[in-house]
Amino acid sequence: AQSVTQLGSHVSVSEGALVLLRCNYSSSVPPYLFWYVQYPNQGLQLLLKYTTGATLVKGINGFEAEFKKSETSFHLTKPSAHMSDAAEYFCAVSGQTSYDKVIFGPGTSLSVIP
Amino acid sequence: DAGVIQSPRHEVTEMGQEVTLRCKPISGHNSLFWYRQTMMRGLELLIYFNNNVPIDDSGMPEDRFSAKMPNASFSTLKIQPSEPRDSAVYFCASSPRGQGAGANYGYTFGSGTRLTVV
Repeated sequence: AQSVTQLGSHVSVSEGALVLLRCNYSSSVPPYLFWYVQYPNQGLQLLLKYTTGATLVKGINGFEAEFKKSETSFHLTKPSAHMSDAAEYFCAVSGQTSYDKVIFGPGTSLSVIP
Repeated sequence: DAGVIQSPRHEVTEMGQEVTLRCKPISGHNSLFWYRQTMMRGLELLIYFNNNVPIDDSGMPEDRFSAKMPNASFSTLKIQPSEPRDSAVYFCASSPRGQGAGANYGYTFGSGTRLTVV
């Protein structure tokens, strides 16, 4: 079984500052890891994903995340926050069999202060 | 492609009434998911269809909830009778390959239906 925790239900950063959203997972099998973003009144949108290979993955809008197996983490970063980054961010984990569901974390709300 | 289309965007209904939520997945996607989002419980998977067949409905809360996918381009989620605790945002998502290894293709979500039961 898989599970996801996201440290901090709400994060505030200044415009231009580093964005760091934390995600830790639990999985008994090699995981697939995802970050999704949800803008107000919209559905979730895939930001980036890790499946195999390179542990540093890049996504849309300048975001990237690093898979660290030893720390069971998949933190999301962006060097410089933009006002348009304000949204809810969900980390998710899945196993690789057809029975494995994608399990979403509780979400982190990101506010960007001008 | 117009993406995953859900209707209605908002629904307000009285307790005891029947509610039907609709979803049109992306053409060519063979998997469809219904999720419910609430502040208390976050995102919960209700049911998963693959090639129009329900594969996993273990997340359906109770018999008041039912879902159908009569063809590859349409699905419904029905609540009968509705209760105030059903108030939530209901999302439909589709994917080219479904769960497990297929999840790496990513899920495309609709904009959701905000259901309020009074």
